[in-house]
Amino acid sequence: EVQLQESGPGLVKPSQSLSLTCSVTGYSITSNYWGWIRKFPGNKMEWMGYISYSGSTSYNPSLKSRISITRDTSKNQFFLQLNSVTTEDTATYYCARLIRGTDYWGQGVMVTVSS
Amino acid sequence: DIQMTQSPSFLSASVGDRVTINCKASQNINRYLNWYQQKLGEAPKLLIYNANSLQTGIPSRFSGSGSGTDFTLTISSLQPEDVATYFCLQHNSWPNTFGAGTKLELK
Repeated sequence: EVQLQESGPGLVKPSQSLSLTCSVTGYSITSNYWGWIRKFPGNKMEWMGYISYSGSTSYNPSLKSRISITRDTSKNQFFLQLNSVTTEDTATYYCARLIRGTDYWGQGVMVTVSS
Repeated sequence: DIQMTQSPSFLSASVGDRVTINCKASQNINRYLNWYQQKLGEAPKLLIYNANSLQTGIPSRFSGSGSGTDFTLTISSLQPEDVATYFCLQHNSWPNTFGAGTKLELK
C-alpha cells in the first residue's frame, strides 16, 4: 500500500525558509505526480505545487517565487521549500500523490511560523 | 482560480439517516470533482473521484453525483464511524481548489 509521511521542523522563524520532506513507501515517485497541500487554521486548504515523474514542477501562482519542490529518487523522497515565510504560512502541510485528482495523502505536519 | 462553495458547514444527523453534502463550483469543472473524508489526526481519505466513481474499499453507502457546477455527496445510511469532516476538491484546472469542509456529527 502507498504510504506518505511528512517530516520537518514544527517551528520556523519569520523571514526564514520552511523545509519539509515527504517519504514515500509502496510506490515509486518516478511514476505519476506528487505534491504539497496545506490547511490553514480555520480549515481553508490550498494546493501549493507538484513535481512530476520526470522532475518537472508546477506551482500555485499565489506562492509566486517563494516555493520550490525537488526530489531524491534514490531515497524515494520529495521536498518542499518555502522561502521568506510569515505568520500567514502557519498551517498543517500535507504531501500527496496525484492520481484521480489526489488519492493518497500523508497525515500532515503542523508548522508554526513565530519568532 | 475556481471557487468551491460547500454546504452545509456543519451537519448533525442520526444513525441510519440519509445525509447529503453539496459543492458548487464557480465555473464548469465537468466531472472533475472528488470527495474526501478526514477524521481527527488522520490523513484525508478519498471517497469518490470524478464526481461519481467510488474509490476502492469505500463502502457503497457513499455515493456522488453531479456535473458541471453542482455536485452532491450522499451517505445513504449514516453509521457511527462516518463522523468526520468531508470536503470536495476540483481537479479540472490548476490550481486545484477545495471546498471549505462539512463537519458531520451524530445527533
